[in-house]
Amino acid sequence: DAKTTQPPSMDCAEGRAANLPCNHSTISGNEYVYWYRQIHSQGPQYIIHGLKNNETNEMASLIITEDRKSSTLILPHATLRDTAVYYCIVRDSGAGSYQLTFGKGTKLSVIP
Amino acid sequence: ETGVTQTPRHLVMGMTNKKSLKCEQHLGHNAMYWYKQSAKKPLELMFVYSLEERVENNSVPSRFSPECPNSSHLFLHLHTLQPEDSALYLCASSQDLGGGGYQETQYFGPGTRLLVL
Repeated sequence: DAKTTQPPSMDCAEGRAANLPCNHSTISGNEYVYWYRQIHSQGPQYIIHGLKNNETNEMASLIITEDRKSSTLILPHATLRDTAVYYCIVRDSGAGSYQLTFGKGTKLSVIP
Repeated sequence: ETGVTQTPRHLVMGMTNKKSLKCEQHLGHNAMYWYKQSAKKPLELMFVYSLEERVENNSVPSRFSPECPNSSHLFLHLHTLQPEDSALYLCASSQDLGGGGYQETQYFGPGTRLLVL
């Protein structure tokens, strides 16, 4: 799996958009970008994924650059319950391994 | 809320006890996983099942014994554990193995926090 780089921490004011960046400069053509988050001592929660196009669901939007070397997860209106560690993962479905490799992630703190 | 449930949520056991962790997925998925998450260590994949067949066993000690009676249920049987086995045990499921995108997106349960004394 390609390596990802994320800032270790970010703050966001409640009600504002949270923009979480991820660099994956060595991503290959058949690797997907996945985002998960984990609130302390709970299981990771799937947020969104994408391959080339931007994606949106009820939780977030995912913006992938045209060269696919970076992406941004957008939480449009952050709430206190969005405080968590956010993980960006790139994964090759044909790699033959089923392990999800979580890096250190970004600790997002939503401030009242 | 995810469609993956785990029981119990917390478990304290002695090294000579035998206990079982249970996972149930309500998503109609074909693949299920057991992970171990220890403090300050990355997530470790333990076992993978697809259509009730074990497809991956990552050098896990025999004191951990998985069971998948059907595609909706997964168990982890524990016996003679060590204190270093204390961790958060996570179950996950996905539609299938591989295939990319939605098919292999893994959905996690809340985990069982295990303490071995």
